[in-house]
Formats: sequence, C-alpha cells, structure tokens
Amino acid sequence: NAGVTQTPKFQVLKTGQSMTLQCAQDMNHNSMYWYRQDPGMGLRLIYYSASEGTTDKGEVPNGYNVSRLNKREFSLRLESAAPSQTSVYFCASSLEAVSTDTQYFGPGTRLTVL
Amino acid sequence: GENVEQHPSTLSVQEGDSAVIKCTYSDSASNYFPWYKQELGKRPQLIIDIRSNVGEKKDQRIAVTLNKTAKHFSLHITETQPEDSAVYFCAASIQGGSEKLVFGKGTKLTVNP
Repeated sequence: NAGVTQTPKFQVLKTGQSMTLQCAQDMNHNSMYWYRQDPGMGLRLIYYSASEGTTDKGEVPNGYNVSRLNKREFSLRLESAAPSQTSVYFCASSLEAVSTDTQYFGPGTRLTVL
Repeated sequence: GENVEQHPSTLSVQEGDSAVIKCTYSDSASNYFPWYKQELGKRPQLIIDIRSNVGEKKDQRIAVTLNKTAKHFSLHITETQPEDSAVYFCAASIQGGSEKLVFGKGTKLTVNP
C-alpha cells in the first residue's frame, strides 16, 4: 500500500515550457487535491476533485489545469510555465469530504521555473 | 474570502517546556479543524483534529481546544522534545457545497535541547 505517490520528485523548466505533474493513490479515496506550498504562505489549494468525473477550482487556479483520469489518478498541468509557479506541489486525497475524513499527502514535487 | 490566521510564525522553546500555537478562522460554518506537522523536506502529516461539537481533544502530549463563539482554536504540546521541531499548520474546513480545507501559514517550532 503506497498511499499517495507523485512524479516527478524534482523538475526544472524554462519559462513557457509545459509539463504535467502526476498523482496517484491506492487507498480507494474519492476526493483528491492539488496544493502549492511557498515559503511563508502555507498550503494553498489549486484544484480539487470531490469525486471521479468532477473538478473544481481552489484558491489559486490561474495558470493550471487538472484532469481526474480515473478514481486513482489526478494530474496537474502547467501549459506555459512562469517563474511565479516555482513552488513545491503536493497532491492529497481523502476517502470522502475533508470535514469527514483525514487528508493524506503525497511526497511532493519541487518545481523550479527559470 | 475564507481565511485562517495562525500565530506565532516562529516559536522557540526549551526541551520540556510547553508550546502553544493559535489559529482564528472566518467562516462560521467551519466544522472541522485539523493540525498537520511537516518536518523539513517531508510531506504534511495529520497529528490531531477536532470537530465543532467538541471543545477539547487530547492525544498523549498533544491537545487541541476549540472556541466556536470566538472562532479560534489552539494546539498545545506539553513536555516538548527535540523531535517535535517542525512546521505546524492549522486548517479549517470550508463548507458551502464544495468542501475544502483552508490552511494557516504555518508555525516553525524549534525545541532546543
């Protein structure tokens, strides 16, 4: 049981390049989330998926898109990376809604945009 | 929008002392308040949580208190140990049909031996 996994662990992009961050969970969770973490800013929600087939914007969605590929996988895409998107990205999942069930985090992806 | 304020941003204590971190929230409909611990370079992990129908919850050296009237909640760590050194985040659930968590900005706790 691997829990929540993310790939890649590290990535360096040039401004304007695109990339997709992958997230998968093997806990049969319904809800999945993408956060970014910047120094002194805590964790900010980018997008989330309350169930397979649905996605919703969080606090900072601009510049990102997501896909809930199936119940296990939730990907985050940067279409045209900008230096302001340099951050650590965490994927998380919970069985049901966050107010009912614990949210489990993946190990994170450290992204640098030059 | 919904907001969670967390204080202090840094906290340094001597081993064996107590540490208290406080958070306030803005959404009166919030009903779930988890605390996460994040060690350097690691993922956040849940250490304790409390729901709105409970005023206090304790788990060994860690306790959380909730005051719904004042819209604030606190984390208390007693008999601190060096391994308690980490960044701690509070969060509050946001309702309104699309449940999600809003996090505070974190408190860096240092426990000096």
